[in-house]
Amino acid sequence: SQQGEEDPQALSIQEGENATMNCSYKTSINNLQWYRQNSGRGLVHLILIRSNEREKHSGRLRVTLDTSKKSSSLLITASRAADTASYFCATDTLSGNTPLVFGKGTRLSVIA
Amino acid sequence: ETGVTQTPRHLVMGMTNKKSLKCEQHLGHNAMYWYKQSAKKPLELMFVYSLEERVENNSVPSRFSPECPNSSHLFLHLHTLQPEDSALYLCASSQDRDSWAGELFFGEGSRLTVL
Repeated sequence: SQQGEEDPQALSIQEGENATMNCSYKTSINNLQWYRQNSGRGLVHLILIRSNEREKHSGRLRVTLDTSKKSSSLLITASRAADTASYFCATDTLSGNTPLVFGKGTRLSVIA
Repeated sequence: ETGVTQTPRHLVMGMTNKKSLKCEQHLGHNAMYWYKQSAKKPLELMFVYSLEERVENNSVPSRFSPECPNSSHLFLHLHTLQPEDSALYLCASSQDRDSWAGELFFGEGSRLTVL
């Protein structure tokens, strides 16, 4: 399937440390998106990276995309307790005619 | 506040009840979605509407019945549900159905518990 898979499933770090989450997918894409979800709430879009981009930054977020390996990573620098949430990657398809497919997510816990 | 409002936020119902979930978007988007989120499973797309026309139905059981009376409102009618239907139901919208690759705006979800 097209489904992205995040790794690790859960991550626990101390405040101030960096957090890295990975996403792998199976077929070619136009773009990949990362979303965040606080417990029991809706998903919030963080960043979109296109297939012709290798790296993108937004504040303390850094996303990389390696289309040859069909993988992406999300780096959160100088983490804060408020970054505690689940993070999901979502991919489209090269044909662009299917909705986004989400992975199971990485549960990040930032301990103060 | 994302511009997508879902009600109710929590719902408990018996298997013989009939209830509805409501979603309203204030973003002027043309596409609206229902997703189901169960524990330890990926987000599952249930229905997609574009300009009030259903364009995607991922083999969802008929006990879930969507309705999209206009581009701003989306309902999910529920009847004779099963306990395994207990989940967080998320509504989302996007600018245009043709832009599948675009950003989705989610509501806060409706937590459904079926007894």
